[in-house]
Amino acid sequence: NAGVTQTPKFQVLKTGQSMTLQCAQDMNHEYMSWYRQDPGMGLRLIHYSVGAGITDQGEVPNGYNVSRSTTEDFPLRLLSAAPSQTSVYFCASRKQPNYGYTFGSGTRLTVV
Amino acid sequence: DQQVKQNSPSLSVQEGRISILNCDYTNSMFDYFLWYKKYPAEGPTFLISISSIKDKNEDGRFTVFLNKSAKHLSLHIVPSQPGDSAVYFCAASAGFTGGGNKLTFGTGTQLKVEL
Repeated sequence: NAGVTQTPKFQVLKTGQSMTLQCAQDMNHEYMSWYRQDPGMGLRLIHYSVGAGITDQGEVPNGYNVSRSTTEDFPLRLLSAAPSQTSVYFCASRKQPNYGYTFGSGTRLTVV
Repeated sequence: DQQVKQNSPSLSVQEGRISILNCDYTNSMFDYFLWYKKYPAEGPTFLISISSIKDKNEDGRFTVFLNKSAKHLSLHIVPSQPGDSAVYFCAASAGFTGGGNKLTFGTGTQLKVEL
């Protein structure tokens, strides 16, 4: 049972490049979210999904897209990377509201 | 607008003593609260939670207290162990009726348990 798997673990992008951060979970969780962690700011919600085909914006959605075609996968797309998107990104899933999220180990992204 | 606040960025405690981590919130719609622990280069790990219908929840060495009137919660770790040294995040959600799928996190408190 792998839990929440994020790839890649590290990535360096040039400004303007696009990329997809992958997230997969094998726990059959309906609820999945993407967070970013920046120094002194805690974790901030980017996008979330309550099930396949259903996504919604979080606190800081600009510059990111998501889709949820299957229960297992919830990729995060950076459309045109900017230095302000340098951060650590965490994907998380849980089986129902008011339940603890299981987090992946994170993707450290640097945009130069 | 920081809806969940952890005003102490760091806390140092001796091994065997009690660690008390504090968290304040401003959104009265929050009705479910969680604590996460995070080691460097790892994702946060769920520690303990509490619903607003309770004022205390215990799990082994960890106890969370909720004071709704003060919009304050605290995490007590007794006894503290060196392995407890980590960043602790407080988080809150607004339940089924208020967007319970969104967790709002505090900025974290770095706990250091010294020998």
